[in-house]
Amino acid sequence: EAQVTQNPRYLITVTGKKLTVTCSQNMNHEYMSWYRQDPGLGLRQIYYSMNVEVTDKGDVPEGYKVSRKEKRNFPLILESPSPNQTSLYFCASSLTGGGAYNEQFFGPGTRLTVL
Amino acid sequence: RKEVEQDPGPFNVPEGATVAFNCTYSNSASQSFFWYRQDCRKEPKLLMSVYSSGNEDGRFTAQLNRASQYISLLIRDSKLSDSATYLCVVNTPNSGYALNFGKGTSLLVTP
Repeated sequence: EAQVTQNPRYLITVTGKKLTVTCSQNMNHEYMSWYRQDPGLGLRQIYYSMNVEVTDKGDVPEGYKVSRKEKRNFPLILESPSPNQTSLYFCASSLTGGGAYNEQFFGPGTRLTVL
Repeated sequence: RKEVEQDPGPFNVPEGATVAFNCTYSNSASQSFFWYRQDCRKEPKLLMSVYSSGNEDGRFTAQLNRASQYISLLIRDSKLSDSATYLCVVNTPNSGYALNFGKGTSLLVTP
């Protein structure tokens, strides 16, 4: 089944404790992206990757890191989480970066709480 | 000014009603347009792409007006299962192909 998976789905952690949220897709997509969704603010892009070893900042990259060593995986790293990073996080992938036919597939989301 | 703006609603409509959502975008270089649907606490899923000539998929019709930078979604014969948040999404190549999401319009279809 074609899908984007994220782990963990739920995480409660404390300020300053490094964490990684994994994202994997099995569709051989080139483009992958991380978003956060907050009430009243909608979905905002954190980082994206056009292909292996090619990553770039989105609208809200502060406090996050990413890597793209393999095509299928795009982990999101929070080196020192803070309470303002409490949010619902979505990973997404698409065949390429743009185009009218380029549907983005989203993972099920990771609900992160930083105390 | 936010790049993609939508009326947040909520829209409460009876089953069988026709409802229309509107969306405006600010970047004239935007090239691709979509409507996504998001159920509560779930991931967004593509409802339909929006083409320049307008397009229809069953009970759903999408329109694009590039001159006015305006997108619309019309839902006919609303079903209870249409209750969700509808996200207007715009793709702009000069911003890394980021999808710019509107904040969403909430729809509740009641019996």
